[in-house]
Amino acid sequence: SAVISQKPSRDICQRGTSLTIQCQVDSQVTMMFWYRQQPGQSLTLIATANQGSEATYESGFVIDKFPISRPNLTFSTLTVSNMSPEDSSIYLCSAKYSPNEKLFFGSGTQLSVL
Amino acid sequence: QKEVEQNSGPLSVPEGAIASLNCTYSDRGSQSFFWYRQYSGKSPELIMFIYSNGDKEDGRFTAQLNKASQYVSLLIRDSQPSDSATYLCAAMDSSYKLIFGSGTRLLVRP
Repeated sequence: SAVISQKPSRDICQRGTSLTIQCQVDSQVTMMFWYRQQPGQSLTLIATANQGSEATYESGFVIDKFPISRPNLTFSTLTVSNMSPEDSSIYLCSAKYSPNEKLFFGSGTQLSVL
Repeated sequence: QKEVEQNSGPLSVPEGAIASLNCTYSDRGSQSFFWYRQYSGKSPELIMFIYSNGDKEDGRFTAQLNKASQYVSLLIRDSQPSDSATYLCAAMDSSYKLIFGSGTRLLVRP
């Protein structure tokens, strides 16, 4: 299984600020994804992080709000911009070695926006 | 819209019993299915995956898939209190993205 390191593990932020979450995988993976899990809810896919190109966003998520970078095959960042209390959630990085293979998750970032 | 449906529970079973968790999916194009376990405050952990119709066993866990009925289940034999968690069912769509259900909370009573 993949070892996925995510940081920070938690943060408390002020409204209107931005937070960048980092995700590091222990080996090269073909696909990386960012999910959000709101309190008491299941996982919602934010976007697919594409290596060397713009991320592919799901309906309801936009690049201006959730810019994503993936400069290489083992690293990605997600920024939550201009935060509001509604952005309080767990953000999860995930990765898989090949498209039809198993998906592994990082430890998550618990974000609280005041 | 592609959906994965699960009963939210909680499903309460006594220690040593079989816990049966069920899931249905809407996208007939889905070919692969996954069960994740999530403890409170932790990230999801993959416990089973299944691609073919029928049963797949791994230790105390058995995944069952019926593509005709668009139905996936997870059986946990000899349930232990440590199995108490939320179990997430996920279906992989044709774009290789996982669509998750809302999860079933399992409580195993000592």
